[in-house]
Amino acid sequence: DARVTQTPRHKVTEMGQEVTMRCQPILGHNTVFWYRQTMMQGLELLAYFRNRAPLDDSGMPKDRFSAEMPDATLATLKIQPSEPRDSAVYFCASGLVSGAGANVLTFGAGSRLTVL
Amino acid sequence: KNEVEQSPQNLTAQEGEFITINCSYSVGISALHWLQQHPGGGIVSLFMLSSGKKKHGRLIATINIQEKHSSLHITASHPRDSAVYICAVYPRGYAGGTSYGKLTFGQGTILTVHP
Repeated sequence: DARVTQTPRHKVTEMGQEVTMRCQPILGHNTVFWYRQTMMQGLELLAYFRNRAPLDDSGMPKDRFSAEMPDATLATLKIQPSEPRDSAVYFCASGLVSGAGANVLTFGAGSRLTVL
Repeated sequence: KNEVEQSPQNLTAQEGEFITINCSYSVGISALHWLQQHPGGGIVSLFMLSSGKKKHGRLIATINIQEKHSSLHITASHPRDSAVYICAVYPRGYAGGTSYGKLTFGQGTILTVHP
């Protein structure tokens, strides 16, 4: 089965350190999303890309977060500097949007980040 | 008030029972997802629907656009169905357009099925 691959699965780091999370979307999907999940806020959209172009990153703290898609097989989410409040599970998802509308949406297994 | 409300928040059932989870939303939507998340696990999209009903195995999802309501039913529930079920909506105008992806999530329903 095709899957969205995220690395690392778990990351523990100290406050102030840079964290980079990576995502390999499903080949052929044209839209990639980054979501964050916390107990308090649930799932939140951070940013997403269509055909590698950033469409919306309004859910992302701009001063410390950045999202890029350097090629069709890799999306990255970077936090610099990290803070304890960034501790969460970060999910990448990819989807296929056609002229008929949105259909497939597949999530990665998530990257669990703990910032001490 | 959240734009997407799910009920119940917690649900406990015995194996074999018929289960219903409800989702109500306050915005106009173009489509709705039902997602499943097992403890410590990833998220799986069970259904995406914009009208009527969809069925996959023991799972059935229905939506009533006029009433802004969707239900997820599980027939003959099993302990492996224990998970968090999340309803998420695409506000109208977003799905398929350049703004596609702005899913708004419910808070989730924690389902526990006992053997």
